[in-house]
Amino acid sequence: GDSVTQMEGPVTLSEEAFLTINCTYTATGYPSLFWYVQYPGEGLQLLLKATKADDKGSNKGFEATYRKETTSFHLEKGSVQVSDSAVYFCALSEGGTGGFKTIFGAGTRLFVKA
Amino acid sequence: DADVTQTPRNRITKTGKRIMLECSQTKGHDRMYWYRQDPGLGLRLIYYSFDVKDINKGEISDGYSVSRQAQAKFSLSLESAIPNQTALYFCATSDGHRSQETQYFGPGTRLLVL
Repeated sequence: GDSVTQMEGPVTLSEEAFLTINCTYTATGYPSLFWYVQYPGEGLQLLLKATKADDKGSNKGFEATYRKETTSFHLEKGSVQVSDSAVYFCALSEGGTGGFKTIFGAGTRLFVKA
Repeated sequence: DADVTQTPRNRITKTGKRIMLECSQTKGHDRMYWYRQDPGLGLRLIYYSFDVKDINKGEISDGYSVSRQAQAKFSLSLESAIPNQTALYFCATSDGHRSQETQYFGPGTRLLVL
């Protein structure tokens, strides 16, 4: 079945370091891919998304490219800030004759130290 | 005011009790969802509703029921709570007609079953 696998955390970085959080997926069709972020004590909110192969989603300095050939959607940021400390979820969404489904990865906690 | 609200925000109950978690939205979206979040497991879909007359089971519906009272309201019930239902519960909405819609999450309800 469909699944989303993301790197285990926690990830601890110093401020201004480069961030990569890996995400790979398996899907039977052509899903849309998402990154959501969860700040402490809050619900998830969309960070970025991509709806087809080779699309790049970007927001707040974060980027991810939909790579169909490697079934990946890795999240990157060139210079992290303390305020980026949160849990990041990779997700896929797919609709079709089998019905709607959305699948989240387990989440990766990021700590950024000043 | 928040677009997606959940009540209560925290709840402690005993094994065997019936409880209801409520979700309201002011976004005017047709689609609503209930998820539970457990450490290391990400989010798992319990039920979803694409309109007032449409209710669908998600990945982990056993032990739960839902009611879509209106477009804006979607309640989750635990008929007889058990300790392994201790988790963080999120309500979400979306307005998409295809798989690439963004989901908008409430702040969550933290439930402890003793």
